Formats: sequence, structure tokens, C-alpha cells
Amino acid sequence: GQQVMQIPQYQHVQEGEDFTTYCNSSTTLSNIQWYKQRPGGHPVFLIQLVKSGEVKKQKRLTFQFGEAKKNSSLHITATQTTDVGTYFCAGPTGANSKLTFGKGITLSVRP
Amino acid sequence: NAGVTQTPKFRILKIGQSMTLQCAQDMNHNYMYWYRQDPGMGLKLIYYSVGAGITDKGEVPNGYNVSRSTTEDFPLRLELAAPSQTSVYFCATRARSSGGANEQFFGPGTRLTVL
Repeated sequence: GQQVMQIPQYQHVQEGEDFTTYCNSSTTLSNIQWYKQRPGGHPVFLIQLVKSGEVKKQKRLTFQFGEAKKNSSLHITATQTTDVGTYFCAGPTGANSKLTFGKGITLSVRP
Repeated sequence: NAGVTQTPKFRILKIGQSMTLQCAQDMNHNYMYWYRQDPGMGLKLIYYSVGAGITDKGEVPNGYNVSRSTTEDFPLRLELAAPSQTSVYFCATRARSSGGANEQFFGPGTRLTVL
């Protein structure tokens, strides 16, 4: 079945550093979604990318969908302590009725 | 609007006991999902429903049952609880696709421990 992979699972950065993480799918995706989960919280939708090569920005966060629609990246410029949490990517399966989530990357930021 | 609500927030069960995790939504979403989250393992889909009266298995359905008699409610039943079911359980909903983002909305979760 479809696999969505995020490696590594943990990353530690100094506040102010940039951070980039990647998501890879075993199959071509119609779209990809990113979610953020704060410690002790629930996943919250961040963004959906649909078009090949699409780039979207949300303040300091930049999301990109690969040209082949099999990978995606999340880049955070000048990390802040508020960026702490786990970031999941997810791709649709089952005729777009379900999502397959990656294992997530947990970001910690040293002040 | 409350969005997606889950009860209880926390529960400790003994091995072999049963319980129902409640999930309710007031967004009139057709799609509802149950996930479990274990440390470092991401979100695993247990069961999902595309509308009232329709349910289907996800990736890890063994040991669980669901029903969807109304649009609003999607309870998850654990029969004969086992330590392997210790986890955080999230309910999520999604509107029927209308060409926009197919985002899922998550409830606050239920933290279950089986001893």
C-alpha cells in the first residue's frame, strides 16, 4: 500500500536557525497536506498543495510540492520557540476518502 | 460551534474491560475518522465513515468496533481491552470535497491506558 515517509523523526535547532524537512511518497499524489501538532495537542491543518511544483507561504513557513508530485518540503525561516511541535505530511488514499500520514518530525527549538 | 468533541479526555481501563470513546461534531461533515497515535508512530487509521450508516476498516481495526447512526456521532467501541490498546485516540472529520482543501478537523483526543 501507499507509504508516506518522513525522515528524520526528530530535529533540534537553535532559535533563529532555518529548518527544512522533507516528505516522500511511494506513489504519485493528487495532493499533499501538512499538519502541525503542538505538544499535548491535536493535529491542526496547515496547508494543502495540489499542483506540480506548487509553492505556498504562510509567514515564515514555505511549503513546496515536488514536480513529480511524490515529495514535498516544509521550510521554516528563522525558527522561533512557537514553532515547536510535530509536523506531519499526509497523502490521500482510498479514492480520496482517507489520508495516509507520515510518522512526523518533532522539532525542538533551543532559545 | 464546538467543532469536534471527544469524551472522555482520560481513562484508565483494566485488561478485559470494555468502553466506548465518544466523538461528536456540529459541522455537518460527512466524513469521520478514528485514529490512534503511539509515540513515534504517527497517526494510524482505525475506522472511518463516509456518511451515516456507512463504516469501513482502516489500517488497524482489530479490537475495535464503530457505528454511525447519525451524521453527528461516531463512537468507537473497545471490547476486551488489552495493554496494546494503550494510546491516544483522535477523532477527525472532513467535509465532502467541494474542490477546496480536503482538510481534516481533529478533536482534542482521548488518552487511554490499559493496565
